[in-house]
Amino acid sequence: QITLKESGPTLLKPTQTLMLTCTFSGFSLTTSGMGVGWIRQPPGKALEWLAVIYWDDDRRYSPSLKSRLTITRDTSKNQVVLTMTNMDPVDTATYYCAHVRQIWRPPDYWGQGTLVTVSS
Amino acid sequence: QSVLTQPPSASGTPGQRVTISCSGRSSNIGSNYVYWYQQLPGTAPKVLIHSNNQRPSGVPDRFSGSKSGTSASLAISGLRSEDEADYYCAAWDDSLSGVVFGGGTRLTVL
Repeated sequence: QITLKESGPTLLKPTQTLMLTCTFSGFSLTTSGMGVGWIRQPPGKALEWLAVIYWDDDRRYSPSLKSRLTITRDTSKNQVVLTMTNMDPVDTATYYCAHVRQIWRPPDYWGQGTLVTVSS
Repeated sequence: QSVLTQPPSASGTPGQRVTISCSGRSSNIGSNYVYWYQQLPGTAPKVLIHSNNQRPSGVPDRFSGSKSGTSASLAISGLRSEDEADYYCAAWDDSLSGVVFGGGTRLTVL
């Protein structure tokens, strides 16, 4: 059974850096083809893809946010970390991490999400 | 503005069949698999269809997906009140080197 859970701060001030951790189970990020991605959803709005990291440490980022994002993994802890710099109120959203079972595919299983609010 | 285009809303009465469209380009739908998600209020998205037309175990066969060229569709037959939710399409985009989503379609069961 694949499960994922996001953790991190719920409230940030503008210009601060967001660090979110995705802790997963039921699969290994060392298995060929596997990946973990991040997606966000502002309140009442659509889903927006942010980044993905694959079993071979290949990383892809949203072109519009690439300069602010870093995705890393710790295979020994079954964790993936997303860092986003220079947070702004428009970055207020629910952030999801999700399992990707094949390279160059949308995600399959999603975590429950965590709401991050950016406000002064 | 989302890369994939969906109608913002759709509706139907119980028992009816409804379809939701998703339009893209050659770099995304035209050359990659389409996924469909259902998002019930206050919950995380759940995959309904993967690989254009494949249902994960546990998803009722009332849900079906299809793809033709640069467009895809999700069909829901035998509509039920519990199908009232937001539906999103997604695909990998070769030009952007990332996943693109549709803007979502809110389905109302009248």
